[in-house]
This record gives sequence, structure tokens and C-alpha cells, in this order.
Amino acid sequence: EVQLLESGGGLVQPGGSLRLSCAASGFSFSTYAMNWVRQAPGKGLEWVSGVSGSGGSTYYADSVKGRFTISRDNSKNTLYLQMNSLRADDTAVYYCAKALLRGYSRVYYSDYWGQGTLVTVSS
Amino acid sequence: DIVMTQTPLSLSVTPGQPASISCKSSQSLLHSAGKTYLSWYLQKPGQSPQLLIYEVSNRFSGVPHRFSGSGSGTDFTLKISRVEAEDVGVYYCMQSIQLPYSFGQGTKLEIK
Repeated sequence: EVQLLESGGGLVQPGGSLRLSCAASGFSFSTYAMNWVRQAPGKGLEWVSGVSGSGGSTYYADSVKGRFTISRDNSKNTLYLQMNSLRADDTAVYYCAKALLRGYSRVYYSDYWGQGTLVTVSS
Repeated sequence: DIVMTQTPLSLSVTPGQPASISCKSSQSLLHSAGKTYLSWYLQKPGQSPQLLIYEVSNRFSGVPHRFSGSGSGTDFTLKISRVEAEDVGVYYCMQSIQLPYSFGQGTKLEIK
């Protein structure tokens, strides 16, 4: 059974940093690209970042480029999102999501999503 | 960036009746290789999003046959042939032909 378990969310002051983790199990982690998608309170979905199965290709939304870094440790079956210079508008539930299709460098469709971890940026 | 526009933003449907959601993209989602990168997700209350439809019309594993997707180019539709109580939630279309990926605003389905 595929499982994705996010952690690392919490309350942080503007300008601060957090690192989110997504522990994956139940599939061959290194062969699937992964995404981070967020949802601000009461709002819709926003794609944040993506990474290829090897970790060699990464992709970012303009809103987080230069502040967030996506990475993965395939030996630990874990996806990460390092978030620096956090702003109030980064407040959201952050979901990790697995690619439906194996072997592609990007996630075109996400078949499994974690339960999400809440990041609150506030003083 | 590609803008995804859904209509309506909300709809209230009697159980057993059909429902339809439109999604329009600001650019064609048809790739030169022949695939169209349009998908539909449902976020039930208090849950994470779940994949319903990918590549316009392919139902994901386990998705009931009452859900169907259609369309081409820039105009797409999600149809539910006979709405059931478990279908409540917010439906999102998403394009993945071009980075940054983008979602529609969401359509909230309620049961009358």
C-alpha cells in the first residue's frame, strides 16, 4: 500500500525557515517523480515544486523560486522541501504527491497524496 | 503561465441527477506528441485531493464509471452521470503541459 507521510510543519516567524519531509512507502520511490502542492486556508490548490526520481531535475513555481529547495534521499525514501525566507503568504497546508507514471522526470498526474502538513508564517 | 478557468464555481445537485463542470485553459493543452495534459481531482471535505481523471478522459483506478471526462485543446468537461452523496467536495482541473502547473479555482459540489 502506498503511503506518504508529511512532517515538519509548524509556526514560524516571517523570514524564518522550515524543512518539510515526506516519508514514502509501498512503491519504488526512486523511480517516481514527486511534487509538493500547497493549499492556503480556505483557498484552492497551488503547485509549488517538483523533482525527478533521481533528484537531478527540479522545478519551482515563481512564487517560491530562490527561497524553496526540493530534494530527495532515495536511500531513505524521503522527499524534502527546504523553505527559507518564509512570508505570510506561504501559510498553507503542504502536500507531497506521487507521480502516476513511472520513469518520467516530471509529475504529470498525482495518484497518491499525503495528508498534508500545516505551515503557519506569523509573528 | 497557463490560466485555468472553471465554471460554475458551485453547484447543488439532487442525488441521481447529472452534473457537469467546465474547465477552460488559456492555451492549448495538446502536446506535439499527441497527449493532452489535463486532469481532474476531487477534494472531499477534510481530505487530501484524489485523482479522478487524467489525460482528459482516462479514469484513474477505482474511480466509478459515473465520472467521465471529455474535451480537447482548451475546452474540457467533467461529467457525473448520476450524482451520489459521496461525490460532495471541491473539483479541480489541472494542466501539466507547461510549468508552472496550474489548477482551476475549484468547483464546490453540494447535494440538495
